[in-house]
This record gives sequence, C-alpha cells and structure tokens, in this order.
Amino acid sequence: ETGVTQTPRHLVMGMTNKKSLKCEQHLGHNAMYWYKQSAKKPLELMFVYSLEERVENNSVPSRFSPECPNSSHLFLHLHTLQPEDSALYLCASSQESRRTDTQYFGPGTRLTVL
Amino acid sequence: GENVEQHPSTLSVQEGDSAVIKCTYSDSASNYFPWYKQELGKGPQLIIDIRSNVGEKKDQRIAVTLNKTAKHFSLHITETQPEDSAVYFCAANKETSYGKLTFGQGTILTVHP
Repeated sequence: ETGVTQTPRHLVMGMTNKKSLKCEQHLGHNAMYWYKQSAKKPLELMFVYSLEERVENNSVPSRFSPECPNSSHLFLHLHTLQPEDSALYLCASSQESRRTDTQYFGPGTRLTVL
Repeated sequence: GENVEQHPSTLSVQEGDSAVIKCTYSDSASNYFPWYKQELGKGPQLIIDIRSNVGEKKDQRIAVTLNKTAKHFSLHITETQPEDSAVYFCAANKETSYGKLTFGQGTILTVHP
C-alpha cells in the first residue's frame, strides 16, 4: 500500500444529496491533491493543498468543495452533483507541492451520481 | 498550459516481448516526467521517473528515455510478464508549478502468457 487511504471506496448518490469523500495520508507529507479520473479521459487535477492552504483550483465547479483541516487529512464535499460527475476520485500526497516531488495515490473512491 | 499526448491507447504483446509507450509534451519548461502504472481497483503507482538533466534511466526491466529537443519521452518494458498488464500513464510537470502533473490519456497494456 502507498500510505494514502480513501473512504468510502464506493459511493452512490442522488443529485440532491450531500456527501463527503475522505483522504488520509500516513507519509508525513505536506501537500495533498484531488484528481478526477473519468473513462477515456486523462486524470484531471482538481485541487492542490500545501500546508493546509489551497494553492491550486483547476476551474472546478463550486458543487465540489475541498477542505484540508491538517496536513494529513483532505476532504471533498459534494452537493447537487450531476450524472457527468460520476468518476473515480483520487487523492494523492507528496512531500512538497512546489517541487517536482513524487505523488503517491490512494485507491480512489468510485462515485456514481444517479 | 501543458498538453501531453500518449500513444498507443492499447498495446498487446506476448510474454517475453518488449513493450514501448511514447509520450509527447508541449511545454518546453517541463522538466519532470513520471510514469505511473494503474491496476484494476487501485490508484496509479509510480514505476519510474526522469528529470530533464538525464537522457535515460533504467530500473531492472523498465527504462525511460527523454528527448528534450523533440519534447518526447518513452517507457520501455523488456521481458514482459502477465503481471505487467495494466494501464500506464505518462505525465509532465515543471519546478515552478504547484505539483501540477499533466497526464497522458493512458495505455492499456495486455501481456498474453
């Protein structure tokens, strides 16, 4: 295992629901990331946090709301999602975010929006 | 912004053969090029990476080559085994960006026993 865990592994939600994805890293890293992986599309970077501060927001709709309470935990709060938001959501961490440090990925949360 | 193109999208080889996956990038400032392997039900795992001050790097059966002039880099897997079957992604990044990896579209590699 990479030292990055994600819960839940699978989530089915309706368009009016509110849910949260959780990521935890046990590597002592300072940077954490959210990626979206859709079928037949490259991994898309959504958010970057460095020392609990958001340093990158890759034009993500406001129905996705990240939260980083400390350098070990990262959340993605979801509300009023659309069916096209169904995808695998991956969390990653690295030692730092400004340098080209290796990013370690969690197993992902498979999200289905009905 | 950076754009990374990856080919082929699928690759089928016999066990013991070599496999080559190629990527091109658009931003000449990019200087870090990792390769990730993603197995079913798992997140991407780094298998090898190369930085712009190096032209080639090897790790057992895996090698990566980089041509900065042509802006392309390749993954070479020799003596392929069935457990090499997975989706492989290339990516590019630069020192000045906030860990902003740009990924290629992925290559589904199947190694037939």
